[in-house]
Amino acid sequence: GAGVSQSPSNKVTEKGKDVELRCDPISGHTALYWYRQRLGQGLEFLIYFQGNSAPDKSGLPSDRFSAERTGESVSTLTIQRTQQEDSAVYLCASSPRSGASGANVLTFGAGSRLTVL
Amino acid sequence: GQQVMQIPQYQHVQEGEDFTTYCNSSTTLSNIQWYKQRPGGHPVFLIQLVKSGEVKKQKRLTFQFGEAKKNSSLHITATQTTDVGTYFCCPGGYQKVTFGTGTKLQVIP
Repeated sequence: GAGVSQSPSNKVTEKGKDVELRCDPISGHTALYWYRQRLGQGLEFLIYFQGNSAPDKSGLPSDRFSAERTGESVSTLTIQRTQQEDSAVYLCASSPRSGASGANVLTFGAGSRLTVL
Repeated sequence: GQQVMQIPQYQHVQEGEDFTTYCNSSTTLSNIQWYKQRPGGHPVFLIQLVKSGEVKKQKRLTFQFGEAKKNSSLHITATQTTDVGTYFCCPGGYQKVTFGTGTKLQVIP
C-alpha cells in the first residue's frame, strides 16, 4: 500500500480482555517496528522485525505482550489480560531496511488508540 | 539501540521568535534523524544527517550534526503556529531504533 496502515484506529476494552492490533507495512519494507506512546509521553520501543530474522523483543514490557509477523507483511500485536496502564497509542512503523548506515528512515502509521476501562 | 537525550523537554515561544532543540549522545553516532509529531498525529520524518559537521536547511528549519557526531540541533527561525508539535531525534543506522525524549514546542500567537 501507499502508507503504513493500522487497525483498529480506536479500541475500547474492559480490563482483563485480550486485544489484537494490526499493522500493514509499506510493501517491500523489510523492517517493522512497534512503539507505545502514552499520553504526553515519548515513543517507547516494543519490538522490531527484520525480514525472516528473529525479532528483537527486548522492549516488550511483560509476557502479556506478544507480536507476530508473517514474512515481510502484516504484523499483529497482542495484549493479553489488558490492564489500565496499557492504555496508550500503539504506533507501527516500517522501513526499507535496518542496520544499514544512512537509509533506515521510518514511516509511521496513524496508530491504534487503546483505552482500557 | 543508542540512547540520546533531548533538551529542553518543553518550550513555549511567542510567534516569530526562534526555537532550538538539542540532541545529545554519550557515544559517536552513525547518523541522526529528526521527526516531527503534530498534536494528535504520528511522527513524520524530517531529515537525516550523516556527515560530521553537516548542516542542512529546510526553509526556516536548520539542522546540524556536531563535529564529533555526538550531538545535533534543530533550529527554527521565526516560528509559526504550524511549527507546533513535538520534535524527536533518533540515532539512525541501528537495528533497534530508539527515539529521544522529544521537545514539545508550543507557539503562542
